Amino acid sequence: QSVLTQPPSVSEAPRQRVTISCSGSSSNIANHAVNWYQHVPGKAPKLLIYHDDQLPSGVSDRFSASKSGPSASLAISGLQSEDEADYYCAAWDDNLKGVVFGGGTKVTVL
Amino acid sequence: VQLMESGGGLVQPGRSLRLSCRTSGFTFGEYGLSWVRQAPGKGLEWVGFIRSKAYGGTTEYAASVKGRFTISRDDSKSIAYLQMNSLKTEDTAVYYCSRDSLLGYDHWGQGTQVTVSS
Repeated sequence: QSVLTQPPSVSEAPRQRVTISCSGSSSNIANHAVNWYQHVPGKAPKLLIYHDDQLPSGVSDRFSASKSGPSASLAISGLQSEDEADYYCAAWDDNLKGVVFGGGTKVTVL
Repeated sequence: VQLMESGGGLVQPGRSLRLSCRTSGFTFGEYGLSWVRQAPGKGLEWVGFIRSKAYGGTTEYAASVKGRFTISRDDSKSIAYLQMNSLKTEDTAVYYCSRDSLLGYDHWGQGTQVTVSS
């Protein structure tokens, strides 16, 4: 059971939009930066979003994110087959004194 | 920027293993270095990290490995290590090292497989 809660899977047709939620608490998301990572099995994970809503250089602007209180979300617009991957939120947790990852959300493009 | 893990393999429960994370393309000493693992069929799990010398070179660990795993660094060689002692079957996973920048874990290695089994 992860400290950060994500839906196990989401699916949508190409060119549509999906959102992935990440629910935490005051010890993590509410008071610390949230990062999002994309992970294609067998490959190295990739930083997708940092500091709640910032895009690293080179990341497509089809990705966006937001945060409100203890919850965060990632949105992917104009869904493409290459977006099929597992997506993880992560944040520092004051109680655990470490980084916590969400359980991950598998995105499937129908 | 490149990171490459090595040292994984098959090990019996209770034994030890040391992973290495060799890096290039950046000033290693200026960054923290983290280890993250993924057990079969599971999600990413933070293992721990080591701060840069500028921030004391101190370490933090997940509760699941605290007291058994130790992260160290050799800035002269641009290498970080993960010493794993008293290994358990539940430590079986792909282990990734990642550069810990102000942005987050912005560069990752390809991972190395660790299998703990008798």
